[in-house]
Amino acid sequence: GAVVSQHPSRVICKSGTSVKIECRSLDFQATTMFWYRQFPKQSLMLMATSNEGSKATYEQGVEKDKFLINHASLTLSTLTVTSAHPEDSSFYICSAKGTSYIGYNEQFFGPGTRLTVL
Amino acid sequence: RKEVEQDPGPFNVPEGATVAFNCTYSNSASQSFFWYRQDCRKEPKLLMSVYSSGNEDGRFTAQLNRASQYISLLIRDSKLSDSATYLCVVHTYNSNSNSGYALNFGKGTSLLVTP
Repeated sequence: GAVVSQHPSRVICKSGTSVKIECRSLDFQATTMFWYRQFPKQSLMLMATSNEGSKATYEQGVEKDKFLINHASLTLSTLTVTSAHPEDSSFYICSAKGTSYIGYNEQFFGPGTRLTVL
Repeated sequence: RKEVEQDPGPFNVPEGATVAFNCTYSNSASQSFFWYRQDCRKEPKLLMSVYSSGNEDGRFTAQLNRASQYISLLIRDSKLSDSATYLCVVHTYNSNSNSGYALNFGKGTSLLVTP
């Protein structure tokens, strides 16, 4: 149980385009989803916390107008990188925290999306 | 000062060796502690939680010293499949974070087990 999927797993796009990444909890309801970014040889950095039905909470230094987050249901959150530039190239990982005991204090991670902006 | 600090390694050890990783955290009010494993270009996966009393899962032993704000992971009888990056993760209140309590990740310690 506690499986999180992400789509797409890899995307290559031209500078200026927008890219949408989906994060789904497959077998549990996630009241909270998290979006992280990881640059090579760096630690995962939290970008934003997303609660179902409310606005996301962005970390300092993360532009909310550039990284649009929508958490419309208990099983789906999306991250849209708008007008992507080469410096946005990174590994984007989502995680989900469940409502039941199994996911109370544990975050389950999706497989990540590798974004390359040319 | 970083919230979570780890020796980046790499640690190159032969099969069968015992290897230990250390981690320190800065916030004494941290609540929960974990070791995650991350394979190259993959997502992190929970290896084990870390408790003050110490805990063991097969070949893996984790220890927490709250007084020293220090966490360790010991791997005995290393296997080739143990090669990965090991992330020290602390669940803590971060005053610099708009989310408040959040998982704080170390950069990870790289392990390579050789035949």
